[in-house]
Amino acid sequence: AQKITQTQPGMFVQEKEAVTLDCTYDTSDQSYGLFWYKQPSSGEMIFLIYQGSYDEQNATEGRYSLNFQKARKSANLVISASQLGDSAMYFCATLNFGNEKLTFGTGTRLTIIP
Amino acid sequence: DAGVIQSPRHEVTEMGQEVTLRCKPISGHNSLFWYRQTMMRGLELLIYFNNNVPIDDSGMPEDRFSAKMPNASFSTLKIQPSEPRDSAVYFCASSSRPGGTSVNTQYFGPGTRLTVL
Repeated sequence: AQKITQTQPGMFVQEKEAVTLDCTYDTSDQSYGLFWYKQPSSGEMIFLIYQGSYDEQNATEGRYSLNFQKARKSANLVISASQLGDSAMYFCATLNFGNEKLTFGTGTRLTIIP
Repeated sequence: DAGVIQSPRHEVTEMGQEVTLRCKPISGHNSLFWYRQTMMRGLELLIYFNNNVPIDDSGMPEDRFSAKMPNASFSTLKIQPSEPRDSAVYFCASSSRPGGTSVNTQYFGPGTRLTVL
């Protein structure tokens, strides 16, 4: 079974600053995927970024990057130049390639302060 | 392209009534997932289908819950009879599996907020 830990239940960050959301995971799988999703107050789940455990380079998607440290089983999300629209819940998740199951963490509520 | 479509967006019903939630996956996607989100338990996978076949329903809470996927473009999640503890947001997600090590990202629908009184 996979377990995801997001230790920051809430964060407040000044607009335009960078922010790092922590995620650690526990899995016995040799190959797996790591995802981050954003859930704004409207409720939808928005895919942000993906990292494969076999990828040597950290994934980037615009202002989002994933700081992947495989030995530490860490997959932190970095948002550069934060914007007010970044205020939302952020979920880290792992994917078991064998059964396609996504396991989610408990989430971090990010609030951007103007 | 249209994303995952769910209906209804909101459902309020009384305990004991049957509830049916509907989902249309993204065209071309061959895997479909039903999740439930509550404050207490977070996001939980209930069941998922691959090529219209249920692969894993170990997350379905009890026999009151059932899910079907009669074709590649439609799935239902039914609760009969409904109970107040079933109140939650139910998400449908879909993905395609291109093969090899290509990522099969799950794309979520907007969710159905269910309230059972």
